[in-house]
Amino acid sequence: DAGITQSPRHKVTETGTPVTLRCHQTENHRYMYWYRQDPGHGLRLIHYSYGVKDTDKGEVSDGYSVSRSKTEDFLLTLESATSSQTSVYFCAISELGMNTGELFFGEGSRLTVL
Amino acid sequence: DAKTTQPNSMESNEEEPVHLPCNHSTISGTDYIHWYRQLPSQGPEYVIHGLTSNVNNRMASLAIAEDRKSSTLILHRATLRDAAVYYCILRDPNYGQNFVFGPGTRLSVLP
Repeated sequence: DAGITQSPRHKVTETGTPVTLRCHQTENHRYMYWYRQDPGHGLRLIHYSYGVKDTDKGEVSDGYSVSRSKTEDFLLTLESATSSQTSVYFCAISELGMNTGELFFGEGSRLTVL
Repeated sequence: DAKTTQPNSMESNEEEPVHLPCNHSTISGTDYIHWYRQLPSQGPEYVIHGLTSNVNNRMASLAIAEDRKSSTLILHRATLRDAAVYYCILRDPNYGQNFVFGPGTRLSVLP
């Protein structure tokens, strides 16, 4: 199994509080991604990174920011959580990128915003 | 448009082959066809991908139509562990590093 660890795995928080989810990899893969999965919407890309300090937006990036200061860590931050951000968040990594390579997904982080 | 069309659900008996179809009539010439599956309460898992030729790996086979407008994922002998949602995926033309995940096909495997 690819070495991907997401933390925390479960979190309950209140509206307006900041939240940071961490994705840690031991594979030294170049690309890292954050997805969210919601009933009726499938998986949607939030942000991705193609190298240290190199990030770009996905299709649902509003309300989220990311940082990648080391190859192995990709952080997803909700500056002020809202109930609409209640979701399951998946991190994924890839060595070659999306078209030609495989994505390896983490086990997910379930976030509930009350 | 990176849209794919799959049946919502399919059923198979254990130890029988399963053919999961996917239509992708607007695929571009350089885009690979990817298949992932998601077991309950887990992240998606890579199954297989291909460009033009049929592909085989230890999990499955991918048969790609000559015009590339459709493909079929073949599980040669379904097991109970293969019960999952199967996604046929193309790259999103609007975001180079994005897959468009549709609702997929929910495969049930009967003992």
